Amino acid sequence: DSGVTQTPKHLITATGQRVTLRCSPRSGDLSVYWYQQSLDQGLQFLIQYYNGEERAKGNILERFSAQQFPDLHSELNLSSLELGDSALYFCASSVRTSGGSETQYFGPGTRLLVL
Amino acid sequence: AQTVTQSQPEMSVQEAETVTLSCTYDTSENNYYLFWYKQPPSRQMILVIRQEAYKQQNATENRFSVNFQKAAKSFSLKISDSQLGDTAMYFCAFRRGAQKLVFGQGTRLTINP
Repeated sequence: DSGVTQTPKHLITATGQRVTLRCSPRSGDLSVYWYQQSLDQGLQFLIQYYNGEERAKGNILERFSAQQFPDLHSELNLSSLELGDSALYFCASSVRTSGGSETQYFGPGTRLLVL
Repeated sequence: AQTVTQSQPEMSVQEAETVTLSCTYDTSENNYYLFWYKQPPSRQMILVIRQEAYKQQNATENRFSVNFQKAAKSFSLKISDSQLGDTAMYFCAFRRGAQKLVFGQGTRLTINP
């Protein structure tokens, strides 16, 4: 158990709908990263938040948005869903090691199926 | 942009054998971090081992060790005394500073009894 929690574990919805994925980072971790794992694109970085602020953006669609709240949990909102959005969505949080570097620990993921 | 390449889509070995997974990467950076993550059938992403580019000594974690060749931009993972529980997808990943992880396409490793 990495200490990162994600809900829900599974989500089945229809095209055109909107869903919200939730992530709670490890205690004390300030950074949250979202990744998408699909069959054809592999693991892709979507977005990073640090202590409530957006820090970096990757290949995130305009239909997708995220935020990090004062209690440091994060939500990824996916709207106008398409079949191609079906994927496993991971949240990761980072902890600073004594060397000043960071290791990202992953949550169990949310499996999204768009029908 | 950094890229990570895993040239072996699938590998299969017998239990107790040693297996080496290959990874190469491309970057112009001098300071960075390299990782191997394991993804078993449960789909959980589990950190196996990490290597700081400024360290010449290869990282080791129990049965897992790496061969880090900075000049060649190569970062292979060796699994000794392989076990059935090592069956998983293995992803090599690159990271610069506190930024995103860039993943390779993965190697599906099967350990046969």
